[in-house]
Amino acid sequence: KAGVTQTPRYLIKTRGQQVTLSCSPISGHRSVSWYQQTPGQGLQFLFEYFSETQRNKGNFPGRFSGRQFSNSRSEMNVSTLELGDSALYLCASSMDPTGNTEAFFGQGTRLTVV
Amino acid sequence: TQLLEQSPQFLSIQEGENLTVYCNSSSVFSSLQWYRQEPGEGPVLLVTVVTGGEVKKLKRLTFQFGDARKDSSLHITAAQPGDTGLYLCAGGPTGTYKYIFGTGTRLKVLA
Repeated sequence: KAGVTQTPRYLIKTRGQQVTLSCSPISGHRSVSWYQQTPGQGLQFLFEYFSETQRNKGNFPGRFSGRQFSNSRSEMNVSTLELGDSALYLCASSMDPTGNTEAFFGQGTRLTVV
Repeated sequence: TQLLEQSPQFLSIQEGENLTVYCNSSSVFSSLQWYRQEPGEGPVLLVTVVTGGEVKKLKRLTFQFGDARKDSSLHITAAQPGDTGLYLCAGGPTGTYKYIFGTGTRLKVLA
């Protein structure tokens, strides 16, 4: 069974540009969550999608957005990139984050903004 | 705000020593998970604890869920350099769709 796949693994962008990251969850998992991880702030929750609906959202500016497709694949977009957006972006999939279900993570996308 | 506080934040020990990491919250969780993350990679699930008071063992790692399901601990016996990494607890507070992560414990085991 394939794990969570994130693409690309590494990305370098310039301030002001926009970026789209992709996540393919484990087959059968309908919930996809996105996290930003930086050395200073730890793992910060961005948003969670379930059956194409955003169910939860973290405290990030509107420049951060996402969506989920009917096949559960998800994308997140960051517009008008800032230097502080440099981070490891992690996607996790779950059968359903309510109850006892665990999250399975991809390897992440390392975004560097210069 | 529902938080999972982990302690200690950093831990540097010698190979062969024992250690315990704590994960505490004021919220009740239906289950808690523990993950280990290595640099540049995503967190990897180690274990899930579900029942209050539950103890699970994974080789030299022992996980315990508090009776009230508000806290958990991870005990490592005879730590090895391969145990080095960031340990994260996580869970979904009961009655919510949220899934939150602890503040993390960065462990370094010296040979």
